[in-house]
Amino acid sequence: DQQVKQNSPSLSVQEGRISILNCDYTNSMFDYFLWYKKYPAEGPTFLISISSIKDKNEDGRFTVFLNKSAKHLSLHIVPSQPGDSAVYFCAASRRDDKIIFGKGTRLHILP
Amino acid sequence: SQTIHQWPATLVQPVGSPLSLECTVEGTSNPNLYWYRQAAGRGLQLLFYSVGIGQISSEVPQNLSASRPQDRQFILSSKKLLLSDSGFYLCAWSINSPLHFGNGTRLTVT
Repeated sequence: DQQVKQNSPSLSVQEGRISILNCDYTNSMFDYFLWYKKYPAEGPTFLISISSIKDKNEDGRFTVFLNKSAKHLSLHIVPSQPGDSAVYFCAASRRDDKIIFGKGTRLHILP
Repeated sequence: SQTIHQWPATLVQPVGSPLSLECTVEGTSNPNLYWYRQAAGRGLQLLFYSVGIGQISSEVPQNLSASRPQDRQFILSSKKLLLSDSGFYLCAWSINSPLHFGNGTRLTVT
């Protein structure tokens, strides 16, 4: 039973354009959502998070949008840079409970 | 500042051999500790988590076990490895989120 779903295994985006990574969840009790970035042979690093009381959180080039009615969140990266090429994991949790991850989306930034 | 150490970075073990992966956290007290595995096409799968010394919760029935002998030490073990135990193992810690991961151990069972 996959509670956090990232339906696109990979995504290719031209450098300088916007990258949009999508994530869906099934558990309506989730109230905290996170995005992690992972390079090969390294551990994931925390990127940005959003609480269920908000619908948008922005940090520099990264913005996360949350649509609670659709149980959907997305990560926007603009402008996309070569160093953004990595695997991005969406994650969700209930506050103070374990964090559940999606399968990840591999982002390729094309020159 | 807090740091997390995980070793070894890579490991090749024969089927049926034992396993011990160690993780330690510095710069914090009473963290929640986690073991995740990243297998091909499976994303990050939570294996074990611990909210305190000697307190271990298992998420997936399997060939592995975990122990927390000290507040900031988390150990992943197996008595007899299977081929299906191959993967990238990640230790993580958190206090009120988000998770902070170590650099992982690439385990290949041959």
